[in-house]
Amino acid sequence: GDSVTQTEGPVTVSESESLIINCTYSATSIAYPNLFWYVRYPGEGLQLLLKVITAGQKGSSRGFEATYNKETTSFHLQKASVQESDSAVYYCALGGGGSNAKLTFGKGTKLSVKS
Amino acid sequence: GGIITQTPKFLIGQEGQKLTLKCQQNFNHDTMYWYRQDSGKGLRLIYYSITENDLQKGDLSEGYDASREKKSSFSLTVTSAQKNEMAVFLCASSISHFYAEQFFGPGTRLTVL
Repeated sequence: GDSVTQTEGPVTVSESESLIINCTYSATSIAYPNLFWYVRYPGEGLQLLLKVITAGQKGSSRGFEATYNKETTSFHLQKASVQESDSAVYYCALGGGGSNAKLTFGKGTKLSVKS
Repeated sequence: GGIITQTPKFLIGQEGQKLTLKCQQNFNHDTMYWYRQDSGKGLRLIYYSITENDLQKGDLSEGYDASREKKSSFSLTVTSAQKNEMAVFLCASSISHFYAEQFFGPGTRLTVL
């Protein structure tokens, strides 16, 4: 079946340091995977951070970036300089639409940014 | 824009009890979903509904029923609550099942005594 594996947390970094959260996927039932990063900030609901639906493209939002690499089946999340307000749980997800409407999520990576 | 509301926010039940969780969306989305999240794990799909009165089983449907009587609402019933079902239940919606981006509600936290 389809699966997503991401960096196991918790991850702690200092403010202004760079960040990478790894995500790799296996899409056995999806012809054209769509890839997503969702985020849950403390006390808030799960919300979409960024998405990429075409292999080779990069998505970006709030200073975060992720590139959809079909060759390595990866979709790593990166930020050059984190802020304390980035502390949250980040989820990588795989979807395909059509008859396979569901999203397959990774387990989540809890990020704590120290000031 | 729109919003997804879930009720109740916290649900406490007894083992063996039948419990119902409700979800409403005002996006006018066709497709709605129920996911379960256990501590330290990703979200797992319980049921989804492509459109009003449609129901499709997800990976975790055993022990649950669902109902989609209106386009804007989607209910989930735990048919017999078990102690190992303490989890957060998330409702989501998308424009259609051809469009993968989903929007999520705040969740219902279930505790079984």
